[in-house]
Amino acid sequence: GQNIDQPTEMTATEGAIVQINCTYQTSGFNGLFWYQQHAGEAPTFLSYNVLDGLEEKGRFSSFLSRSKGYSYLLLKELQMKDSASYLCAVRDRSGTYKYIFGTGTRLKVLA
Amino acid sequence: GAVVSQHPSWVICKSGTSVKIECRSLDFQATTMFWYRQFPKQSLMLMATSNEGSKATYEQGVEKDKFLINHASLTLSTLTVTSAHPEDSSFYICSAWTGAGNTIYFGEGSWLTVV
Repeated sequence: GQNIDQPTEMTATEGAIVQINCTYQTSGFNGLFWYQQHAGEAPTFLSYNVLDGLEEKGRFSSFLSRSKGYSYLLLKELQMKDSASYLCAVRDRSGTYKYIFGTGTRLKVLA
Repeated sequence: GAVVSQHPSWVICKSGTSVKIECRSLDFQATTMFWYRQFPKQSLMLMATSNEGSKATYEQGVEKDKFLINHASLTLSTLTVTSAHPEDSSFYICSAWTGAGNTIYFGEGSWLTVV
């Protein structure tokens, strides 16, 4: 089966850097995604990793270690609008392709 | 960019009735559509995966006779919640995949309230 874990909540200060971790166990790993979701809205795509290493995209970076089943999302220069839930998702291809979401991390950015 | 439209955005229904939610890919063909439900302050829980023209694959613990999924065309999938009960009240959201590439595209979501 699949198991994808994230911290439930995090708090950080405007302008700071925050790292949100994600650990996963899945039988047919085929990529890891990070999404941002504001309450009551659809998730929006942030990043994708399929190979080990760091992917940088503006203020957001995502890291993957497949051997450790571990990823993190790094948010720099935090802004108030970054207050949202951040969802780690794994694409699993052990049967049909499917996207399994982690428990989600609610980030609160304080002034 | 790819657009997925989900309808209705909000629906209130009486306990015991059925409600249908539609998910349409507007500018691409969706080989696969995924249906999720999300309770407040929780993450997305995959309910089922539907491929055009075949039966949906349900996740463990999801009742296929209660949550009917139809994917009759490459641009439309529907989720019907049958004999709805208050505990079915949730945010239901679909996403679509073209079958190539990595990205899935989400609909806007549907809030279901069963009274």
